Amino acid sequence: DAKTTQPNSMESNEEEPVHLPCNHSTISGTDYIHWYRQLPSQGPEYVIHGLTSNVNNRMASLAIAEDRKSSTLILHRATLRDAAVYYCILRDVIIGRDDKIIFGKGTRLHILP
Amino acid sequence: GAVVSQHPSWVICKSGTSVKIECRSLDFQATTMFWYRQFPKQSLMLMATSNEGSKATYEQGVEKDKFLINHASLTLSTLTVTSAHPEDSSFYICSASSSGSNEQYFGPGTRLTVT
Repeated sequence: DAKTTQPNSMESNEEEPVHLPCNHSTISGTDYIHWYRQLPSQGPEYVIHGLTSNVNNRMASLAIAEDRKSSTLILHRATLRDAAVYYCILRDVIIGRDDKIIFGKGTRLHILP
Repeated sequence: GAVVSQHPSWVICKSGTSVKIECRSLDFQATTMFWYRQFPKQSLMLMATSNEGSKATYEQGVEKDKFLINHASLTLSTLTVTSAHPEDSSFYICSASSSGSNEQYFGPGTRLTVT
């Protein structure tokens, strides 16, 4: 897996937007950008992924830089239940080439009431 | 969405005994399953990858004779921690994927405490 760099922790107020950055300067042309999150004492859950264009789903939005060397996960209106560790991971689009997910340290997001 | 379950959700065992953790894919056929270990305040560490009907591939530094992995069917993989010691106390998480897909679905985790 190509490496990603994320801040160790971030804080945000409840009901405000949160922008979680991720740098991946060595991304290859076939790498998807995936985001997972892990709530306390639970297994990771998928949040969103994208290749080049910005992506939206019911959980979050993913903004991808034009050169693809960085991306930002956007939670539009954070709630206390969004307090978790967020992992930014690169995975090859070619099935079978990159089956394993190697987790970095992620960003621990604290939500203040 | 695809669901992966783990059993038990938590277990306490005495030092020197063995404990088995099950990982099941409930609504899809999991050709590949992965086992992770997570210590408090740390990230997930991949332990091994198992393909149905084959021997597991262990990551460097993981003792295959201590962490026995069996993936005998397309819906079940088991991790047996043999001769457990207190340092094996950890949160064990499995994930599963199906053939032809890179999507991985994670189980809820099993907390093992060795006394």
